[in-house]
Amino acid sequence: AQTVTQSQPEMSVQEAETVTLSCTYDTSESNYYLFWYKQPPSRQMILVIRQEAYKQQNATENRFSVNFQKAAKSFSLKISDSQLGDTAMYFCAFMKARRGSNYKLTFGKGTLLTVNP
Amino acid sequence: DTGVSQDPRHKITKRGQNVTFRCDPISEHNRLYWYRQTLGQGPEFLTYFQNEAQLEKSRLLSDRFSAERPKGSFSTLEIQRTEQGDSAMYLCASSYGLAGGTGELFFGEGSRLTVL
Repeated sequence: AQTVTQSQPEMSVQEAETVTLSCTYDTSESNYYLFWYKQPPSRQMILVIRQEAYKQQNATENRFSVNFQKAAKSFSLKISDSQLGDTAMYFCAFMKARRGSNYKLTFGKGTLLTVNP
Repeated sequence: DTGVSQDPRHKITKRGQNVTFRCDPISEHNRLYWYRQTLGQGPEFLTYFQNEAQLEKSRLLSDRFSAERPKGSFSTLEIQRTEQGDSAMYLCASSYGLAGGTGELFFGEGSRLTVL
């Protein structure tokens, strides 16, 4: 079974600064995907960024980038130029990419990020 | 496309009552998932449908829980004889899977259940 661990229950950052959220995972799978999802207060969860395990290049999406260390099973999220709208719960998630799997997500417990003005 | 919608958004019920939640996925998506999220926790997988077939159920899904997806469109999640421990946010998500997309799951806003 896969496990996802987010060791930072809460973090805060000043507007315009950079923050890094940590995530580690455990799996015996060789082919998988990793995701960061954002859940703003009382709103639906949305995808922030996605990484295929077979790709060595770290994914980036505008102000969001990841540091994917496959050997260490680490997948951290860096948010640059933090904005007030980035305030949310952030979840790291794992998905097996094996053919025939259900492509379900296994989530960590989340990190509550607060961006202060 | 209006995204994944869930109804009701909030439900307060007394212990022992039955409740039913509905999820309308994105219309082109053949895969549908139910998750449960309690305070301070990440979403936990409950069950998965591919079209109308329920292909996986978590051990979290006790006999009091039943889910259906008739005709491979909307889905319902029914909880019978509710208990206080059932209080949670029930999330629905849909996707194309990897064959037709990026594997991204699209989530609804959830149905929050409070059992008194």
